Amino acid sequence: QVQLQESGPGLVKPSETLSLTCTVSGGSISSSGSFWSWIRQHPGKDLEWIGNIYYTGGTDYKPSFRSRVTMSLITSLNQVSLRLTSVTAADTAVYYCAKIERIGANNWFEPWGQGALVTVSS
Amino acid sequence: DIQMTQSPSSLSASVGDRVTITCRAGQTVAGYLNWYQQKPGKAPKLLIYGASSLQSGVPARFSGSGSGTDFTLTVSSLQPEDFATYYCQQSYRTPYTFGQGTKLEL
Repeated sequence: QVQLQESGPGLVKPSETLSLTCTVSGGSISSSGSFWSWIRQHPGKDLEWIGNIYYTGGTDYKPSFRSRVTMSLITSLNQVSLRLTSVTAADTAVYYCAKIERIGANNWFEPWGQGALVTVSS
Repeated sequence: DIQMTQSPSSLSASVGDRVTITCRAGQTVAGYLNWYQQKPGKAPKLLIYGASSLQSGVPARFSGSGSGTDFTLTVSSLQPEDFATYYCQQSYRTPYTFGQGTKLEL
């Protein structure tokens, strides 16, 4: 059974880079067909998809993040990473990693990590 | 982006009630619609995928229906543990988008 756990600094200064890792257990991040996502949730508010990274290392980012986001696979540690540059207070949120399960063209997020709260403040 | 709109935004109900939450997409998403349950301080949990398929381990009192632009999540008989916030999400095309959530309150 795949489990995910996010980790990283809980406080980031404005204009700096937010870096999080998602450690995956119970399965390999690079196994064929594995897809991974980052999703965030502003406190008490909507869920927002940030992007996907595929077992090949290919990515698909939400256009509004495209100039600031990088996702990568750290296969030696079985981790998925997220970097978001030039952060502002608007990037304060709980960040979740999730595995994408698929049947044919249908896909969904399951399971999710427990989430990591990142606050952007000086 | 495909906009997802849920109604109602909040709903008061009692244990044993049958409740229905609606999700409308701004354009067709075919059957690529998922439902999640979120409790305070926890990650969302998948309930329904592909509009109507029940995720393994989820009680059968939860059901989903719909296709195209209009979808519903029904809880046939509310249990105390069902009071939470529910989100729909389309996976028809990226960027994936979520509804704004429906808070189910006692």
